[in-house]
Amino acid sequence: AQKVTQAQTEISVVEKEDVTLDCVYETRDTTYYLFWYKQPPSGELVFLIRRNSFDEQNEISGRYSWNFQKSTSSFNFTITASQVVDSAVYFCALSEAQTGANNLFFGTGTRLTVIP
Amino acid sequence: DVKVTQSSRYLVKRTGEKVFLECVQDMDHENMFWYRQDPGLGLRLIYFSYDVKMKEKGDIPEGYSVSREKKERFSLILESASTNQTSMYLCASSLAGQGNTEAFFGQGTRLTVV
Repeated sequence: AQKVTQAQTEISVVEKEDVTLDCVYETRDTTYYLFWYKQPPSGELVFLIRRNSFDEQNEISGRYSWNFQKSTSSFNFTITASQVVDSAVYFCALSEAQTGANNLFFGTGTRLTVIP
Repeated sequence: DVKVTQSSRYLVKRTGEKVFLECVQDMDHENMFWYRQDPGLGLRLIYFSYDVKMKEKGDIPEGYSVSREKKERFSLILESASTNQTSMYLCASSLAGQGNTEAFFGQGTRLTVV
């Protein structure tokens, strides 16, 4: 069965600090996709990134970077030089190719608060 | 600008009422989803649809039904609302694929059942 674990319920950092959000997943499918979404106070989830199970290259987008490691079943998200606008709930999610319908299995989310 | 629009931002209903939550997307997506979000539980899938008039149960379908008569519209129905259905409801849509397409979400409907 599939499962996504975000062990950090809440994190607070001071502005300009770096912060890493952890995500550990479980799946029996050999082809799967991992996602990160951001949910700001407005409520709408915003897509940040997708990785497929065959591509373990890390990715950097501005202040955001993602570290995908199949050996530890982890897909961690780092924000460098955090800003107040980064305050949000962040969700990691998993989708399996065999389900076919793009169902996303979500973790419980990590609430990040960036203190000015 | 692509959009998933949910009909209400906030809703208050009485126990036993029949409740309709409406969702419309303008991206011609095949897949549509209804999730509920509760503190400490993340998002849980209620129902999804991969085509008009098609529906599949998610992880927590009890007490809910859905309707998809047109491609762009996906309705969630609470047949007889109960207080344990007080929650944030999120609609999403995505292109057909093999798990590899991202979902776009609406702004959510916060439903309170009293």
